[in-house]
Amino acid sequence: QKEVEQDPGPLSVPEGAIVSLNCTYSNSAFQYFMWYRQYSRKGPELLMYTYSSGNKEDGRFTAQVDKSSKYISLFIRDSQPSDSATYLCAMRPPRAGSYQLTFGKGTKLSVIP
Amino acid sequence: DGGITQSPKYLFRKEGQNVTLSCEQNLNHDAMYWYRQDPGQGLRLIYYSQIVNDFQKGDIAEGYSVSREKKESFPLTVTSAQKNPTAFYLCASRMDRNSNQPQHFGDGTRLSIL
Repeated sequence: QKEVEQDPGPLSVPEGAIVSLNCTYSNSAFQYFMWYRQYSRKGPELLMYTYSSGNKEDGRFTAQVDKSSKYISLFIRDSQPSDSATYLCAMRPPRAGSYQLTFGKGTKLSVIP
Repeated sequence: DGGITQSPKYLFRKEGQNVTLSCEQNLNHDAMYWYRQDPGQGLRLIYYSQIVNDFQKGDIAEGYSVSREKKESFPLTVTSAQKNPTAFYLCASRMDRNSNQPQHFGDGTRLSIL
């Protein structure tokens, strides 16, 4: 079983839809969780950064962490064509040496006008 | 503007040649990282450095080398020993080697074989 599983998509939604992106993981030591957005031919851009369980909201984006189920989600409300990108989840244990991140493979999202 | 600058954007390597990818940051970050990204795969860590003059191997260090002589610079050399170098290379940095601040990325260098 891979440490982090993420459905690669592609996921195609109409403009204005609510998008749900998800990752599951197997390492119960993970406590820091990140979502990055990556446009084509660009580097990943940090969207959300959360610690442990719970929700965090930033504008149209909400990150959820359910440590009991080892499941994290990113919700995008009122999706826009500019949200079309690949979304990467990443996570790590606390104060772990290199602070090395474990990444999902990314989900490619297309928002159709 | 503060940020992470990777150069060049595109690089071509001939067989048997070593090439060096540049990564510079003006964020005053202590830690720097190099990742490789291949289609359909997650980012894989090549090398990282938490402080000047010190660096550690990541998961896929074979065929690569790095140096960290200055805080703001962390160049990656792809040697001829790396038999499958075609990939998108990403550099990242993080503020403090002992903090919980997240990593931020540059815009990558795409390396191809001639």
